Amino acid sequence: QLQLQESGSGVVQPSQTLSLTCTVSGDSESVPTDSWSWLRQPPGRGLEWIGYIFHSGISGSTHYNPSLAGRVRILLDRSKKQFSLNLTSVTAADTAVYYCARIQPRQYFDYWGQGALVTVS
Amino acid sequence: TVVTQEPSLSVSPGGTVILTCGLSSGSVSTSWYASWYQQTPGRPPRTLIYNTNFRSSGVPDRFTGSILGDKAALTITGAQAEDECDYYCALYMGSGTWKFGGGTKVTVL
Repeated sequence: QLQLQESGSGVVQPSQTLSLTCTVSGDSESVPTDSWSWLRQPPGRGLEWIGYIFHSGISGSTHYNPSLAGRVRILLDRSKKQFSLNLTSVTAADTAVYYCARIQPRQYFDYWGQGALVTVS
Repeated sequence: TVVTQEPSLSVSPGGTVILTCGLSSGSVSTSWYASWYQQTPGRPPRTLIYNTNFRSSGVPDRFTGSILGDKAALTITGAQAEDECDYYCALYMGSGTWKFGGGTKVTVL
């Protein structure tokens, strides 16, 4: 059974950088070969896909939501079985619960973290 | 392109309700790899259906995914009180990107 856990700053000041880490445990041997994603959910609203990273090359390859491209970066640390999210120049609109999740080859999210609330204030 | 869902639906206990997932422009087919997620307040989403009609492990068989007309659909047959929550669909848009619908709040009453 795979477990994912988000960690990072709960409060970020406007214009600063939001940083979160997702630690994978359980069947974590899959970290180097699976695909991993970040999603978010503003309070009282729906889910939004942020981006994902998959195993390719030394540092992995990424795809991002076009609405966030330019501000977002996802990194993979295979040795630590972690992947991270950096979102720059944040505003109040970036206040949300941020989830990390695994992506399956059939293009769906199967394992989710519990979520981390990040408030921009 | 916007992924559309009904904002809210209601169903009687034991009844059947159909949630749909469409596109503001175009039709949804199996090529969009529709997936469905169930979410209760304060909890992360739970995967119900993937690749249009495959049920995730441990999901009761009262949840069924399909294509109805030009939309993906999630049918709940024999609704139970515990099914009252939010449901989200996601479509794979290609080129390594996904979009979610706005969610449907299902009320069992």
